[in-house]
Amino acid sequence: AQKITQTQPGMFVQEKEAVTLDCTYDTSDPSYGLFWYKQPSSGEMIFLIYQGSYDQQNATEGRYSLNFQKARKSANLVISASQLGDSAMYFCAMSRNYQLIWGAGTKLIIKP
Amino acid sequence: DTEVTQTPKHLVMGMTNKKSLKCEQHMGHRAMYWYKQKAKKPPELMFVYSYEKLSINESVPSRFSPECPNSSLLNLHLHALQPEDSALYLCASSQTSYEQYFGPGTRLTVT
Repeated sequence: AQKITQTQPGMFVQEKEAVTLDCTYDTSDPSYGLFWYKQPSSGEMIFLIYQGSYDQQNATEGRYSLNFQKARKSANLVISASQLGDSAMYFCAMSRNYQLIWGAGTKLIIKP
Repeated sequence: DTEVTQTPKHLVMGMTNKKSLKCEQHMGHRAMYWYKQKAKKPPELMFVYSYEKLSINESVPSRFSPECPNSSLLNLHLHALQPEDSALYLCASSQTSYEQYFGPGTRLTVT
């Protein structure tokens, strides 16, 4: 069965420091996609970054990068130079057909 | 433009009321989704429409009735809801079976 695990329920990070949010996954499908979403307290679910299982290079989008280690089945999100506006809930997800398998989420709080 | 809009932003309704949630996207996406999200939990998929046809119904109670009038619009009709249906309702769309783009959500309170 497909599964996403996020082991960090909450994290406190000092502003301007880099942050790594952990995500491991389990699937027997050779083709899959991995996603990170950010959900501020306002509720909107914001798409951050995508990594395909066949992609050779780690995905990057501005300050976000995805550290994809296929053999370890991990897809950690790295946020460089954190900002106060990065405080939010972060979800890792994996695609299966038209469905997303979600992790439990990590609540990130950036301290000034 | 990756915008999905949802109305209303907030909704309070009694258990005997009938109301509707509306979702709209103009990205040409062919799949649209309804999710229910409780506080501090990931979203739970309710329905998926693909090419304007209902393709997935995750055993949602019949008091929730989805409708896809055209490729840009998705409605969720609500009737005789229970207090435990209070949640954030998120709409999303996607072009493929991969990345989904979400709207801002409707915060529903059932009294």
